Amino acid sequence: EAGVTQSPTHLIKTRGQQVTLRCSPISGHTSVYWYQQALGLGLQFLLWYDEGEERNRGNFPPRFSGRQFPNYSSELNVNALELEDSALYLCASSRGRAAGTPRRDTIYFGEGSWLTVV
Amino acid sequence: GENVEQHPSTLSVQEGDSAVIKCTYSDSASNYFPWYKQELGKGPQLIIDIRSNVGEKKDQRIAVTLNKTAKHFSLHITETQPEDSAVYFCAALNTGFQKLVFGTGTRLLVSP
Repeated sequence: EAGVTQSPTHLIKTRGQQVTLRCSPISGHTSVYWYQQALGLGLQFLLWYDEGEERNRGNFPPRFSGRQFPNYSSELNVNALELEDSALYLCASSRGRAAGTPRRDTIYFGEGSWLTVV
Repeated sequence: GENVEQHPSTLSVQEGDSAVIKCTYSDSASNYFPWYKQELGKGPQLIIDIRSNVGEKKDQRIAVTLNKTAKHFSLHITETQPEDSAVYFCAALNTGFQKLVFGTGTRLLVSP
């Protein structure tokens, strides 16, 4: 069974540009999460999508946004890139809200997309 | 806000020794506690987890304990091997919000 897949694996952008990162969850998972892992700042929660809706959001500015598609895949968009946005962006998935606990609390991560802003 | 403290930040052991990593969480509503192993250049890999209604769980060489009263949980690795070398993260989850709060990580180095 395929795990969480992300693309692209690496990319370099210029300050002020926009970037879109993509994620496909594990088959059968309807919840998708985005985390940022910046050097020295650890793993920070960005967004949670379930059944196409944004369910929770971390302490990030509005230029970080995303969406979830009917097939449960997801995109993370970052506008007006800043140097400090350079980080590993991790997507994760789990069973959805409808599954109830404990089935939905097991969260699996992908390998991430490395973003460098210059 | 929610916070998870993790100690130590680095841990060096000899092959065959045991390693213990400790975490403390602040949100009393947290009810699920996973541990992830992250190797260089890779994403976090779930290695073991424990739920709030359980005090201890074991899977081969790794075990996790939870003390809800003290809000402490720990990872124990026995008979360490060089391939156990990685960064380990603890996390706490409030399933109402599905937001994992991570510790700052422990870099484990197992020397042959």
